[in-house]
Amino acid sequence: QKEVEQNSGPLSVPEGAIASLNCTYSDRGSQSFFWYRQYSGKSPELIMFIYSNGDKEDGRFTAQLNKASQYVSLLIRDSQPSDSATYLCAVTWGGYQKVTFGIGTKLQVIP
Amino acid sequence: DVKVTQSSRYLVKRTGEKVFLECVQDMDHENMFWYRQDPGLGLRLIYFSYDVKMKEKGDIPEGYSVSREKKERFSLILESASTNQTSMYLCASSLWEDNSGYTFGSGTRLTVV
Repeated sequence: QKEVEQNSGPLSVPEGAIASLNCTYSDRGSQSFFWYRQYSGKSPELIMFIYSNGDKEDGRFTAQLNKASQYVSLLIRDSQPSDSATYLCAVTWGGYQKVTFGIGTKLQVIP
Repeated sequence: DVKVTQSSRYLVKRTGEKVFLECVQDMDHENMFWYRQDPGLGLRLIYFSYDVKMKEKGDIPEGYSVSREKKERFSLILESASTNQTSMYLCASSLWEDNSGYTFGSGTRLTVV
């Protein structure tokens, strides 16, 4: 069973701070890594994906991947109350069809 | 924008009923998926399909079946609903060759009483 581990939180950060969300995975053969945001009562929406080691930036979001450590993270700069949501880490393995999700980290941005 | 539409937002069914959950996507995606989401357990894959009439079991297929007669439509069937199938059901789709993530439907919250 492939595993994706996330701290369920809640992670509380003040407005304007950097939120750091972390994820580890068990399969060294994993190829692609995704971050989804899920607001309460809503379905997940894709916000970032990353394939290669290093950083990938998109606006206030930065995904970081370290395959040697089997670790992927999401940084949210200048956090806003509207960023308050659950963030799901997802990892592919065994081809594109196989995806395992973490349980998600609940982020609370305090005004 | 890709749209994945699930036919019902909320559904209440009785134990033993046969339940159909429908999902339609409008962007010619090859891959379609059914997940259930439960507190503390996250998203778990029930079944997926990568082509018409093709299906593969996910991690928790017991008690479920699926049908994909047309490319745009993927149905989840609960053969005999039980209370432990009360959950949020999410449909998702993606392109075969484009590994840039899923588009999810809005979900169906199913309650079995």
